[in-house]
Amino acid sequence: DTGVSQDPRHKITKRGQNVTFRCDPISEHNRLYWYRQTLGQGPEFLTYFQNEAQLEKSRLLSDRFSAERPKGSFSTLEIQRTEQGDSAMYLCASSLERRGRTEAFFGQGTRLTVV
Amino acid sequence: GESVGLHLPTLSVQEGDNSIINCAYSNSASDYFIWYKQESGKGPQFIIDIRSNMDKRQGQRVTVLLNKTVKHLSLQIAATQPGDSAVYFCAENRAGAGSYQLTFGKGTKLSVIP
Repeated sequence: DTGVSQDPRHKITKRGQNVTFRCDPISEHNRLYWYRQTLGQGPEFLTYFQNEAQLEKSRLLSDRFSAERPKGSFSTLEIQRTEQGDSAMYLCASSLERRGRTEAFFGQGTRLTVV
Repeated sequence: GESVGLHLPTLSVQEGDNSIINCAYSNSASDYFIWYKQESGKGPQFIIDIRSNMDKRQGQRVTVLLNKTVKHLSLQIAATQPGDSAVYFCAENRAGAGSYQLTFGKGTKLSVIP
């Protein structure tokens, strides 16, 4: 499978616990994005990496959220002290650098449920 | 704030008919648009894109039309099939401004009647 891979697919955690998600982008893609999607809504942008540099962050990304892409390949998204409002699908996408285009390909997502 | 939105939340079409899904955007600075298809429990799947210097682009069974005058985007699906049933999102981007984040609308659910 050469698509974007996310792990785990599902995560149930108790409020207050920390969780970490992993994303493996398409191998030749230098850009990686994290989005969050709640039921019935479109995905909302969280953050974006070009190689290992985090270049854009949404105001949705509170200080409890941290994302890394240490070697410019896979990325992790950590949520500390989870809250019930964090329950959502967390989507990762990747793209190649193309002038004027952001043809992002998404993974299957990690569905987080905070109980 | 400015946002991308959709005219209709649901659309039911007969198998074999053509489908048209509409999207309105309000950010005049947007210069790149994408249509995504999302099936239940899956991530969004890229369908087709269009840059603001074009008004029409065709793919396999799909056509995207862009009307910058009225800030309107549409996705046309020819000969709709049961496998086309999904939620469709339009997304906008300001790639020319160096931004790579996509702003998505709420989505239109397409149901194909066999």
